[in-house]
Amino acid sequence: QVQLVQSGAEVKKPGASVKLSCKTSGYSFTTFYMHWVRQAPGQGLEWMGIINPSGGATTYAQELQGRDTVTTDTSTSTVYMELNNLRSEDTAFYYCARAYYYDMIDWGQGTLVTVSS
Amino acid sequence: NFMLTQPHSVSESPGKTVTISCTRSSGSIANNYVQWYQQRPGSSPITVIYEDNQRPSGVPDRFSGSIDRSSNSASLTISGLKSEDEADYYCHSYDSRRAVFGGGTKLTVL
Repeated sequence: QVQLVQSGAEVKKPGASVKLSCKTSGYSFTTFYMHWVRQAPGQGLEWMGIINPSGGATTYAQELQGRDTVTTDTSTSTVYMELNNLRSEDTAFYYCARAYYYDMIDWGQGTLVTVSS
Repeated sequence: NFMLTQPHSVSESPGKTVTISCTRSSGSIANNYVQWYQQRPGSSPITVIYEDNQRPSGVPDRFSGSIDRSSNSASLTISGLKSEDEADYYCHSYDSRRAVFGGGTKLTVL
């Protein structure tokens, strides 16, 4: 069955970077898009970006001001999301989600990133 | 840029039917697919409706989705409510370059 397994929780200081992973299995990696979505404590869902694993084309949310980068490793069927210049407001759960295009169908278990001095 | 507006909360009794609306502020609701996600406390979201009205395998047919061009909105309907349906529900759509989530609706099953 389809599985999206995300990396473990992270604690970072303001200004640092974090790189999260989402290891996939159970389907053809390059035939589905992958999104990253985050959720601050007690808040709603916020879209961060999308990657097409076939070719690597990406689109990002303007609100992140170019601080995030999504990449893939097709040899391990893994998607990565790096977020730079972390701020306290980046404290959130981060989810990867498999999609036909913009319609997300399967979600990872989430990774908690805490940004604190 | 468009927004998706949902009611903050809805409540209904077990066995009843509830409908959650999602109104698109600009651009036609029919131009891009609408998805609905369920999120129980402490859990990651799961998809209950994709492409306006499609159910992923494993989602009971008590869940249905629709769009209404006249009101430029989408709806999620849950029939035969069960206590396990109590959760936050988010609608989601997109335009050419970005995805947008509604603010979420808290469903309470009384």
